Amino acid sequence: DVKVTQSSRYLVKRTGEKVFLECVQDMDHENMFWYRQDPGLGLRLIYFSYDVKMKEKGDIPEGYSVSREKKERFSLILESASTNQTSMYLCASSFGEQFFGPGTRLTVL
Amino acid sequence: AQSVTQPDIHITVSEGASLELRCNYSYGATPYLFWYVQSPGQGLQLLLKYFSGDTLVQGIKGFEAEFKRSQSSFNLRKPSVHWSDAAEYFCAVAPMDSSYKLIFGSGTRLLVRP
Repeated sequence: DVKVTQSSRYLVKRTGEKVFLECVQDMDHENMFWYRQDPGLGLRLIYFSYDVKMKEKGDIPEGYSVSREKKERFSLILESASTNQTSMYLCASSFGEQFFGPGTRLTVL
Repeated sequence: AQSVTQPDIHITVSEGASLELRCNYSYGATPYLFWYVQSPGQGLQLLLKYFSGDTLVQGIKGFEAEFKRSQSSFNLRKPSVHWSDAAEYFCAVAPMDSSYKLIFGSGTRLLVRP
C-alpha cells in the first residue's frame, strides 16, 4: 500500500528556533512536495524536488529551505521559525498522481 | 495566472440528499483536473482525476465529476450523501506540461445533517 509518513503530527516551537519537518515515502517516487495549508487559502506549494539533490521553489518559498539527500526522504527546514509560519504542513510524493502524508500541525509561539 | 476557484466555503446537505461542489479554473489550455478529499486530521486523498477523453469521470466512494470546457468547470457530484462524506474537498489543476505541479482551490467544507 502507498505510504507517505511525516515525522510529527503536532509540533510546538518557539520563535527563532530552527525547525525540521521530515517526510518519507516508500513508493520510489521521483517527485516530492511540501505544501502549507491555511484556512481559506487551500494548499500552497512551498518547494518541490524532482530528484535527489534537485529542488525548485514553489509559490511561497520565503523563510523555508529543503533537503533531499535520499530519494525517499524530503525535509523542510524553517531556519528561524516565526509566528506567521504557524500552519499545517503537508508532504506529498508523486509519479503522476500525488499521494499525501497526514500532515504536521506546527505552532510557533 | 493560473487559478482555481471554489466559490462555496461551506455547504450543508442532509444525509441521502444529492451533492454538487463547484470548481472553476482559469488556465490558457485544458489542464489536468483533480478532486481531493481531506477528512478531519488526515492528509488528502484523491477522489478522481481528468486527463482526457470522456468528460464524465467516475471516482471512489461514489463520486463523479464532469469537465465542461466551455465553462472552465469541473464540478463534483454525488447522488446520495452519507454522513461519512463530511470533510473538506479540494479541487486542483495541473498544467499539461508539468502534471506534477498542482494548483489548489481554497476548499469547500461539507457538513452532513442527519
